[in-house]
Amino acid sequence: DAKTTQPPSMDCAEGRAANLPCNHSTISGNEYVYWYRQIHSQGPQYIIHGLKNNETNEMASLIITEDRKSSTLILPHATLRDTAVYYCIDGSGNTGKLIFGQGTTLQVKP
Amino acid sequence: DVKVTQSSRYLVKRTGEKVFLECVQDMDHENMFWYRQDPGLGLRLIYFSYDVKMKEKGDIPEGYSVSREKKERFSLILESASTNQTSMYLCASSFRKANYGYTFGSGTRLTVV
Repeated sequence: DAKTTQPPSMDCAEGRAANLPCNHSTISGNEYVYWYRQIHSQGPQYIIHGLKNNETNEMASLIITEDRKSSTLILPHATLRDTAVYYCIDGSGNTGKLIFGQGTTLQVKP
Repeated sequence: DVKVTQSSRYLVKRTGEKVFLECVQDMDHENMFWYRQDPGLGLRLIYFSYDVKMKEKGDIPEGYSVSREKKERFSLILESASTNQTSMYLCASSFRKANYGYTFGSGTRLTVV
């Protein structure tokens, strides 16, 4: 079973920041936080990952709380093409095995 | 551009047939995975492999087997297809330490009639 908890759905206005929360209350010290998204009828796409520090790349920013029990994915300027299901996963970087939950369906509206 | 390629986008098979789903990656990844995705159930891990000729059961291996004879190829086999195996099948690959994330294929939508 998935170990993370996400809201089932969220809306965001186009051009505004989308902040997607995730709780990973059972994360252990060597487990990373990963975010993926899945646009309808496509395979999931890697977005970003982190261990302790906040991370930023060309797609998004990842904020991880100090106790690592929760994280937030930030899409700084959401577009209609960001409408997708977003998955937060915590998993061991050593085993490479990731368990996906139900994710959050983000609807970006004009 | 790095790729995970699944042999078919859509497949229709009859109950009782032996079905092969093929996945090939060109990234020299050690790990390869097979998931199925169903509405309301999300992605569920069927089998995975850390290396050639190695395989590990995932959460729902019943009714499936796998083969990894070469590093770049991971095959999912439905020994005797049943209607409850109608699903979207997704292949993924990653380096052994998955710090860089998975790369997924586009999926194969299998319908068993």
